[in-house]
Order: sequence, then C-alpha cells, then structure tokens
Amino acid sequence: QKEVEQDPGPLSVPEGAIVSLNCTYSNSAFQYFMWYRQYSRKGPELLMYTYSSGNKEDGRFTAQVDKSSKYISLFIRDSQPSDSATYLCATNSNTGNQFYFGTGTSLTVIP
Amino acid sequence: EPEVTQTPSHQVTQMGQEVILRCVPISNHLYFYWYRQILGQKVEFLVSFYNNEISEKSEIFDDQFSVERPDGSNFTLKIRSTKLEDSAMYFCASSMDYYNEQFFGPGTRLTVL
Repeated sequence: QKEVEQDPGPLSVPEGAIVSLNCTYSNSAFQYFMWYRQYSRKGPELLMYTYSSGNKEDGRFTAQVDKSSKYISLFIRDSQPSDSATYLCATNSNTGNQFYFGTGTSLTVIP
Repeated sequence: EPEVTQTPSHQVTQMGQEVILRCVPISNHLYFYWYRQILGQKVEFLVSFYNNEISEKSEIFDDQFSVERPDGSNFTLKIRSTKLEDSAMYFCASSMDYYNEQFFGPGTRLTVL
C-alpha cells in the first residue's frame, strides 16, 4: 500500500470555480500534512502546512485534515488561471524526517 | 525572501561518470534533504541530513549516492557512477527544525546519456 494516494487528474475547471483536491494516507502515525504547488519544470512550493485535524485557511486556500479517515483535502475558492499547476500532497514518516508525496493532481483553470 | 538555490540547473553526463549536484540551503536551516522526480512521476525522498550526518535515507539512496556538507553553506549530492535511470530532476530542500515545513530549491535536471 502506498503511503499517500492522490488522484492524478487532470482536473479542468472554469475561472471562479471552487476546486477540491484530495489525498488519502495509509499510516495513522503520520502527523504533519502539506500541500505543495508545482509549476512545470519548477520545484514544489509550499502552500499549506497543517498538524491537527480540522481546517486551516489562508486566503483562497483551505486545507482540511480528517485523521479518523486518513483523508486530507485542499480547497481553492475563486480559482484563477494562475492557479493552474500540479498540486502535491505530502505527509511525514513515523520518524518525522522523511516526507512522502502523492503523485500530484494536475489542475487547469480556464479563463 | 530567503530561498534554496541549486546549481547547475541542467547537467548532462555520460553513463558511468560521477556527478555532483550542489545546493545552498536557507542559511538558518538545520535539516537538509534531497529528493528526485523522474519525469512524469512523483517526488521521491532520497535522504535527510542533520548535524553532519545522514538521519534518514530511502531504499533509492544506495551506495552510489553520497551527501556532504563541505562548508557552512553548501550541501552536495554525489552520484558515483551514473546510470541511465538516474535521469531525473533532483530537488534539494531545507527546514529549520525536525518537523517544520521543507522549502524546495528549483531543482537540477540530470540527463544521463
């Protein structure tokens, strides 16, 4: 079983739509959860970083963690064409030092 | 805003040659990492480094790979004898603390011919 599972998409939405990106993870010991955005041929850029179950909001982005179901989500409100990128979820190992990434979901926001 | 930098941006080498990829982590960070991403695939952890030693490594990080912090600013990844399947983007990352978020560099594209 993979540590992190993520639907690769691709996902295509019109500008202004609400986007929902999701991942599941396998190990209940995982503690930290991150969402990264990666533009083509660039390094991952940290968007959101959460520790506990619940929601964390930052501007148009909301990260949600449900530890009981091992499910993490990223919501993007009022999506913009500049949001078009690949979104990676990630979580840490039991020791905390190794991070496991999902395969990434490719998002296109159409003007 | 401080950032992780990596050089070169693109490295082309012949199979069997040694390559060294260089990274300058964010200056007050203490933990350093290397990841790789084969084209079209997910980001994969290679190794983490703290206090001048490897703290964790994946099964990908075999004897062909080594890491070093030769001075107070650089962090390097050496691949001793490159193979075709080593062709990938290699990302360096750093974090301030053990559980803190990791900041990634722009990557080095390694092409092994």
